[in-house]
Amino acid sequence: SQQGEEDPQALSIQEGENATMNCSYKTSINNLQWYRQNSGRGLVHLILIRSNEREKHSGRLRVTLDTSKKSSSLLITASRAADTASYFCARSDSNYQLIWGAGTKLIIKP
Amino acid sequence: DVKVTQSSRYLVKRTGEKVFLECVQDMDHENMFWYRQDPGLGLRLIYFSYDVKMKEKGDIPEGYSVSREKKERFSLILESASTNQTSMYLCAITGTGNTGELFFGEGSRLTVL
Repeated sequence: SQQGEEDPQALSIQEGENATMNCSYKTSINNLQWYRQNSGRGLVHLILIRSNEREKHSGRLRVTLDTSKKSSSLLITASRAADTASYFCARSDSNYQLIWGAGTKLIIKP
Repeated sequence: DVKVTQSSRYLVKRTGEKVFLECVQDMDHENMFWYRQDPGLGLRLIYFSYDVKMKEKGDIPEGYSVSREKKERFSLILESASTNQTSMYLCAITGTGNTGELFFGEGSRLTVL
């Protein structure tokens, strides 16, 4: 299966700044999902955006989807040290199988 | 809350040993998945199951088998472990609805010496 592309691979910012991670893909999607993984732990689902949606919010998270550019972004506002984790996008194809990106490692410096 | 339990968080095995990784869910969901995760490669699907005694190969099934004798339990089996199977193994189930959203266990980190 074809993986999505995420960038950057790693991101280090100061606490309080905003963090933006991007995800691109090549084929059509039903939805695109973002997950978070703390070091050595399982993944936790953050937010799902459907192909007919352009933007979704959940607390300090904002996800956008541009199907014409085949890309999505995850914005974390007012970052906290506890946001330090790896973030993965996964696109759901026509069979609702998930295809995963390689992830962005986010480090929030106190 | 959805609960997906992987019985072993850390295992160390020797080459050639048989390894069982167990995953149990408490949500009566049909769909269960086994992934492996390696740095820089994201998650790769090994096997999945849509029902009891049913299994489907994922992207990298070679060297693995699975068993689903009961709805709540999905086991991943390494018949003869090799060093290239050293990895983090993640079990997941789908939530309600048909969106493909996954709920994961905490993972099992396997080291094969």
